[in-house]
Amino acid sequence: QVQLVQSGAEVKKPGASVKVSCKASGYTFTSYAVHWVRQAPGQRLEWMGRINAGNGDTRYSQKFQGRVTITRNTSASTAYMELSSLRSEDTAVYYCARDYSNSAYNWFDPWGQGTLVTVSS
Amino acid sequence: EIVLTQSPGTLSLSPGERVTLSCRASQSVSSSYLAWYQQKPGQAPRLLIYGVFSRATGIPDRFSGSGSGTDFTLTISRLEPEDFAVYYCQQYGSSPLTFGGGTKVEIK
Repeated sequence: QVQLVQSGAEVKKPGASVKVSCKASGYTFTSYAVHWVRQAPGQRLEWMGRINAGNGDTRYSQKFQGRVTITRNTSASTAYMELSSLRSEDTAVYYCARDYSNSAYNWFDPWGQGTLVTVSS
Repeated sequence: EIVLTQSPGTLSLSPGERVTLSCRASQSVSSSYLAWYQQKPGQAPRLLIYGVFSRATGIPDRFSGSGSGTDFTLTISRLEPEDFAVYYCQQYGSSPLTFGGGTKVEIK
């Protein structure tokens, strides 16, 4: 079955970077885009950006532009999200999610299980 | 940026009741690019509805979506015990993609 499995929880200090992985299985990885969404405590879901897993094209939310980098390794069927210059407000659960296709933007299905990133001194 | 406002924030209902959840957009959602997700505590969101009306694979027909332009609705015709959760709407018609603040459906 189609599945996205994310890396484990992280604890980082302010100013550091974090890199979260998202391993896909059950489908042709390069045929679908992968998005990253975060959910801070008590906050709404927040879209960060996406990567076309086929050609590597990336699109980012302006809010995170310059701090987030989304990459992929096609041979490993894995997408990555790196967030730099971490601050306490970045404490959140980070999700990857598969797009319906590689083109434009579509709905997300399925989602990874989520990765808790805690930023604390 | 399209801001999605969901109402009410919380609904207290009993199994068997009919539920209507609202999602209002700050500007028209292009091409009806609106989806609904269900999230239970400690779990990732799950796709229920896409393209305003279309149910995702495996979603029971008690879930239905409607609306257009700036006003959208998710209806659960008859609440089952497993339906108590938080529901989010999402627009994917323009960047940045955005989500509503959620409606929590809790057991009365």
